[in-house]
Amino acid sequence: AQTVTQSQPEMSVQEAETVTLSCTYDTSESNYYLFWYKQPPSRQMILVIRQEAYKQQNATENRFSVNFQKAAKSFSLKISDSQLGDTAMYFCAFMKGNDYKLSFGAGTTVTVRA
Amino acid sequence: DGGITQSPKYLFRKEGQNVTLSCEQNLNHDAMYWYRQDPGQGLRLIYYSQIVNDFQKGDIAEGYSVSREKKESFPLTVTSAQKNPTAFYLCASSSDRGPQHFGDGTRLSIL
Repeated sequence: AQTVTQSQPEMSVQEAETVTLSCTYDTSESNYYLFWYKQPPSRQMILVIRQEAYKQQNATENRFSVNFQKAAKSFSLKISDSQLGDTAMYFCAFMKGNDYKLSFGAGTTVTVRA
Repeated sequence: DGGITQSPKYLFRKEGQNVTLSCEQNLNHDAMYWYRQDPGQGLRLIYYSQIVNDFQKGDIAEGYSVSREKKESFPLTVTSAQKNPTAFYLCASSSDRGPQHFGDGTRLSIL
């Protein structure tokens, strides 16, 4: 099984500020996908962003962007201009290119303060 | 609207009882998945199915069973052999190896 590590259990950020969540993974695969999912208090899992390992360009989705460092096996998520609705648990996930299974990290709880 | 429907939202199990969690999708996705989430933790894969009439065990399949008789449906049975069933259960589906889309979850508790 692939290992996905999120080293920050909790983070707090002021509204309109920027916060960066860290994620590292362990794999010997060269073809894989990385994801960030958001789980608000409603418990629904929402896809935030997806990155293909073969793409060097970092994925962005509105206020969400990633810093993908393939050699370092690092996949951090930056939330810019934080909003109260960004308060949620964020999960990093890994999927091998020839597989269907996702491996999730333990999650980081983000609280946006007004 | 297309999506994934899980029912019931809350479920209670008595000792020695099997319970079944429903998951239905109308996204025309081939693959479906069941995850378990314990408080403050990430998701762990129980079972997944890539096509109808076929499914594979995930990381924590013991005490659970599934069926995939229809493309739209992937019910999960929590058997009496699962000694610690209290958790939040999430169903997901995907098209090929695309991003997984999740339902709203079922919270299972022991009476």
